[in-house]
Amino acid sequence: KAGVTQTPRYLIKTRGQQVTLSCSPISGHRSVSWYQQTPGQGLQFLFEYFSETQRNKGNFPGRFSGRQFSNSRSEMNVSTLELGDSALYLCASSLGGSSSNQPQHFGDGTRLSIL
Amino acid sequence: ILNVEQSPQSLHVQEGDSTNFTCSFPSSNFYALHWYRWETAKSPEALFVMTLNGDEKKKGRISATLNTKEGYSYLYIKGSQPEDSATYLCAFHLSGSARQLTFGSGTQLTVLP
Repeated sequence: KAGVTQTPRYLIKTRGQQVTLSCSPISGHRSVSWYQQTPGQGLQFLFEYFSETQRNKGNFPGRFSGRQFSNSRSEMNVSTLELGDSALYLCASSLGGSSSNQPQHFGDGTRLSIL
Repeated sequence: ILNVEQSPQSLHVQEGDSTNFTCSFPSSNFYALHWYRWETAKSPEALFVMTLNGDEKKKGRISATLNTKEGYSYLYIKGSQPEDSATYLCAFHLSGSARQLTFGSGTQLTVLP
């Protein structure tokens, strides 16, 4: 069974640009969550999607947005990039539904560097 | 703002030693506590999901306990091996917040051969 796939693995952008990251969950998983990790910080929750709907959103500015498609693939977009957006962005999938005692399965992440 | 604290921040042990570390979380509105292992250059790997007070889970040489009334979980590694070297993360799930995990900063374990 293929794992969670994130593309691209690495990305270099400049301030003011925008970026779109992609995540393909494990087949059959309907919930996709996005996290940001910056140096010295733990994983910070960005948002979670289930059945194309955003169910929950973390404490990030509106420049961070996402969406989920009918095949459960998800994208996240960051507009007007700032230096502080340089981070590892991780996507995680799970079966979803109302029960949350299911583990999340993580991708390898996209490392975004802002120059 | 939820606070999930892990201690120690880092730990060096000798091969064969047993070790344990702590995750503290809010004791109210508890729903689930997750443990993940994150090896360098890999993605985080789920170890346990614990939901009931008094839960004990085991996977090989690694085990975990949960106390929801006082808000802590312990992760134990028996007979540490160099391949156990990784960052161990706990994540707290608050009741009513659909799948929003709040992660601690992790315990970085290094097992010296």
